[in-house]
This record gives sequence, structure tokens and C-alpha cells, in this order.
Amino acid sequence: AQKVTQAQTEISVVEKEDVTLDCVYETRDTTYYLFWYKQPPSGELVFLIRRNSFDEQNEISGRYSWNFQKSTSSFNFTITASQVVDSAVYFCALSRGNTPLVFGKGTRLSVIA
Amino acid sequence: DAGVIQSPRHEVTEMGQEVTLRCKLISGHNSLFWYRQTMMRGLELLIYFNNNVPIDDSGMPEDRFSAKMPNASFSTLKIQPSEPRDSAVYFCASSDNNKYGYTFGSGTRLTVV
Repeated sequence: AQKVTQAQTEISVVEKEDVTLDCVYETRDTTYYLFWYKQPPSGELVFLIRRNSFDEQNEISGRYSWNFQKSTSSFNFTITASQVVDSAVYFCALSRGNTPLVFGKGTRLSVIA
Repeated sequence: DAGVIQSPRHEVTEMGQEVTLRCKLISGHNSLFWYRQTMMRGLELLIYFNNNVPIDDSGMPEDRFSAKMPNASFSTLKIQPSEPRDSAVYFCASSDNNKYGYTFGSGTRLTVV
């Protein structure tokens, strides 16, 4: 069975601080895909990144970066120089490809001005 | 491409009434997923279809819930009769089997009073 754990329920930071959101996953599959989604207060689910299990390169997109480590089954997300607009709930998710996404419980990030 | 379109955005209904939620997939996508989001249970899969065929409906809470895909681009989720505990945000998502990406609709916020 697949499982995603986001141990941090809520995080609060002051604007311009860096923050890392943790994600640990469990799967017996050798091929799988990891995702991060953002859910702002407006409620929609916004896709941020997809990673396949064969690509352990870290990725950077502007202020966002992701650290994928198969050895620890983790796919952590870091926001550098956080802004108020980053306040949202962030979900980590896992799938085999064509199968449904399995979501973590989410981490609520509050960035205070 | 207009993305995944859900309707209505908001629905308030009285207990015992029938509720129908609608979802239009992205053209060319093969899989359709219905999720329910609540504070207590997070994002949970209700049912998913592949090429219009229901693959896994184990997440459907009970017989009051039913889902159909009458064609390749459209799906409905029906609750009959509705109960207050069905109040939640319902998301549908579609994916392309060849690209392993998932696109979510904006969700339907259902309130049963």
C-alpha cells in the first residue's frame, strides 16, 4: 500500500524566512511519481511539481526547491525568502502513474508580514 | 484548453434531497478521479474511471453515492438522499495516461443542512 506522511500540521514563519515542508512516503513500487500541490485560501489545488522515482536530481524553480532522497523516502519542499502570498495548505502526493494520487494530510503554512 | 470544469461551484441543499455534481474532463484525458475533502479526513479518493470504466469505487462511502461517466468527457457524482455529514468540497481530476499528470477542477463546495 502507498502512504504519504506530512508530519507538520501547521507552520508559521515571518516573511523572508526560509521554510521547509517535509514529506515522507511509503511504497513497494520501483516506479512511482511524487507531487506537490498548493491549496490557497481560494480553495483550488494548484500543481507545483512532479518527480519520477528515477530522477533524484533536486529541482529549483524561483524561490521554490525540492529535495528528493530515495534513501530516506523523502521529498521535501523548501520556500526561500517566504512571502505572504505563500500562505496556503501544501499537499505532497504519490502515484504509480495512471492510478489515483494518494495525498498526505497537508501542511498549513502561514507567512506573517 | 479550459481545464477541468466542475459545476456547480457551491451547492446548499436540505437533508434528504438529491444532489448531482458535474465534471467535464480535459479533452484527450483518459482517467477521471473524484475526491472529497474534509477537515477530518483530508483528501480522500471516492472513485476513479479509466477509459469510461469504473476501476475502483471502494472509497464511495455508501449506496447513497453513485458516479457515472456517460461519455469520455463528462462525469456525474450523485448523492441521494443527502445527509449533513456529506458536507465537503468535492474535486474531480483528470489525467492523461501517457503523461502521468493530474489536473484538478476548482471543486464543488457542498453544504447539506
